[in-house]
Amino acid sequence: DQQVKQNSPSLSVQEGRISILNCDYTNSMFDYFLWYKKYPAEGPTFLISISSIKDKNEDGRFTVFLNKSAKHLSLHIVPSQPGDSAVYFCAAYGGSQGNLIFGKGTKLSVKP
Amino acid sequence: DSGVTQTPKHLITATGQRVTLRCSPRSGDLSVYWYQQSLDQGLQFLIQYYNGEERAKGNILERFSAQQFPDLHSELNLSSLELGDSALYFCASSVGELYGYTFGSGTRLTVV
Repeated sequence: DQQVKQNSPSLSVQEGRISILNCDYTNSMFDYFLWYKKYPAEGPTFLISISSIKDKNEDGRFTVFLNKSAKHLSLHIVPSQPGDSAVYFCAAYGGSQGNLIFGKGTKLSVKP
Repeated sequence: DSGVTQTPKHLITATGQRVTLRCSPRSGDLSVYWYQQSLDQGLQFLIQYYNGEERAKGNILERFSAQQFPDLHSELNLSSLELGDSALYFCASSVGELYGYTFGSGTRLTVV
């Protein structure tokens, strides 16, 4: 039973355009959400997070939006750059979960 | 360098064997987490230790075990290895249980 779902395994975007990565969750007790980026042969690295008391958090080119009623969050990257090409994992915790629950990831390819 | 050190980086072993993966957390971090990433799968939580004590268990097989030592480094022991155990094994650490994780670069295990 997947509690955090990333339904798009891959996404291809042109350099300079917006990348939108989506994530859905099922556990209404989740209260903190994070995005991680992973390059090949490296471990995931923290990108941006959002608490359930907010609906938006911005950090430079990266913005995360949270829609609690829809149990949906999204990561926007504007403008996308070739160096953003990586696998992006959505993660969540809260409630009885003492550990981060990850989605399966979305592989983003930004083409020059 | 994330500050979380995992050794070895690569491991090739035969079915039925036993291996030990090692993780040194970032300085000051008390929590250690082990995750498994198989092909086309997300990061599956295995087990968490906090200051030497087991804190949470995820989808960890009975053939697998882990421990955290007084110096806070952790070892993940995998025994009676099967072909399906081939995966990337990541260790992560955090200051406490409600903070984002810092991941190591992983150990790639190949069972032949």
